[in-house]
Amino acid sequence: SQTIHQWPATLVQPVGSPLSLECTVEGTSNPNLYWYRQAAGRGLQLLFYSVGIGQISSEVPQNLSASRPQDRQFILSSKKLLLSDSGFYLCAWTSFSGLNYGYTFGSGTRLTVV
Amino acid sequence: DAKTTQPPSMDCAEGRAANLPCNHSTISGNEYVYWYRQIHSQGPQYIIHGLKNNETNEMASLIITEDRKSSTLILPHATLRDTAVYYCIVRVLTQGGSEKLVFGKGTKLTVNP
Repeated sequence: SQTIHQWPATLVQPVGSPLSLECTVEGTSNPNLYWYRQAAGRGLQLLFYSVGIGQISSEVPQNLSASRPQDRQFILSSKKLLLSDSGFYLCAWTSFSGLNYGYTFGSGTRLTVV
Repeated sequence: DAKTTQPPSMDCAEGRAANLPCNHSTISGNEYVYWYRQIHSQGPQYIIHGLKNNETNEMASLIITEDRKSSTLILPHATLRDTAVYYCIVRVLTQGGSEKLVFGKGTKLTVNP
C-alpha cells in the first residue's frame, strides 16, 4: 500500500536560519508531489508541485524553494527563514494510476519561526 | 485562485444529515470536483470526488447539478467526529499536462449534540 512520510512533525527555528523539510512516498512510482502551507486560521496555499525528478513548478514567489532529487522524495528548503514562514506545511502526492482517489496528504510539519 | 465558493460555516445536529453546498460556476468539462475535510492540526482527508454523475461511498454522497455549476456534499448521519473544515475543490489541469488542487477557504461544519 502507498504511504507518505513527512518529518519533522514540529519545528521551532530562529529568524535567518535555514530550513529543510523532507517528504517521501512509498508504494508507488512517478507520483506527482505537492507542498502546501497553511498559515494560522487560513486555508491551504499551494507552494510547489513536481511531476518528475528535477521538475519543480512554483505557484507563488516566496522565500522558499523545492527540490526533487529522487522519484519519491520531495524537499522544501529555505536559506534564511522569515517570521512569515511560520505555518503548517503539508506534503501530498497523487498518481495517475487509474484508481484516481485524489491526493493523499502527509501528517504535516508545524513550523514556528521565532 | 480557487474556483469554488462555499459558506464559511454551518451547524448540524448530531444524527441529522449535513448538506454542504459548493458553487463552481466556471468549472470546465473535464475538471473533477473533490471534497476533503480537515480536522484541526491534521492533514486533509479525502472524502469523495465526481465529474458529472452523483457518487456515493461509505463516508458521504456527492450530488452534482446537471449543469455542473454546483454540488452538494451529504453526510447522511452526522456525528460529533464530523466536526471539521470541509473543502470543495476543482482539480485544475496545468499547462504542462499535470494537475493541482487549489483549495478555497472551506466550510467550518460544527456538529452539535
